[in-house]
Amino acid sequence: GNSVTQMEGPVTLSEEAFLTINCTYTATGYPSLFWYVQYPGEGLQLLLKATKADDKGSNKGFEATYRKETTSFHLEKGSVQVSDSAVYFCALLNQAGTALIFGKGTTLSVSS
Amino acid sequence: DSGVTQTPKHLITATGQRVTLRCSPRSGDLSVYWYQQSLDQGLQFLIHYYNGEERAKGNILERFSAQQFPDLHSELNLSSLELGDSALYFCASSVDSDNEQFFGPGTRLTVL
Repeated sequence: GNSVTQMEGPVTLSEEAFLTINCTYTATGYPSLFWYVQYPGEGLQLLLKATKADDKGSNKGFEATYRKETTSFHLEKGSVQVSDSAVYFCALLNQAGTALIFGKGTTLSVSS
Repeated sequence: DSGVTQTPKHLITATGQRVTLRCSPRSGDLSVYWYQQSLDQGLQFLIHYYNGEERAKGNILERFSAQQFPDLHSELNLSSLELGDSALYFCASSVDSDNEQFFGPGTRLTVL
């Protein structure tokens, strides 16, 4: 079946540090992949997406590349800010396109 | 603001009771999805409706049901509530399957 595995958190970084949050998936075929972000007390916001192999999604300085060879979609940012503190979820869209399958989420805490 | 609205924001009730959560999708979106976010299970897909018809079911308990009305708003009904049903319930909408899902702010249900 479909599943998403993310690195366990929390991740604690200083401002301007480099961020990597690992995400791997198991799925039939080549699903669309997503990163969602959840700020404290809020709903989920789409951060970026990639719909096919080798696509790179990017937004607000965050990037992730769809790697079918390693079934991975790692999230990176070159210089994090305090305002990036949130929970990050990796997700895939199932083959029927009817449901998102989420990882457990990774909490990022950035201090100044 | 995603354009998806959910009411109520918070709900506190007792075991054995029944509650109804409401979702209004973004203007023009025909698909509505319900997800449950709990500490132990993470974010799980419950059910998907498209233009009034059920399209897919995920890990939804038999005590839970949903519907989508002609004006496209959706309701999630939870009955015979148990302590373990305490969670955040999110609604999301999209134009159709295979499209980006936009999430509402969620309803926090507490069962005492």
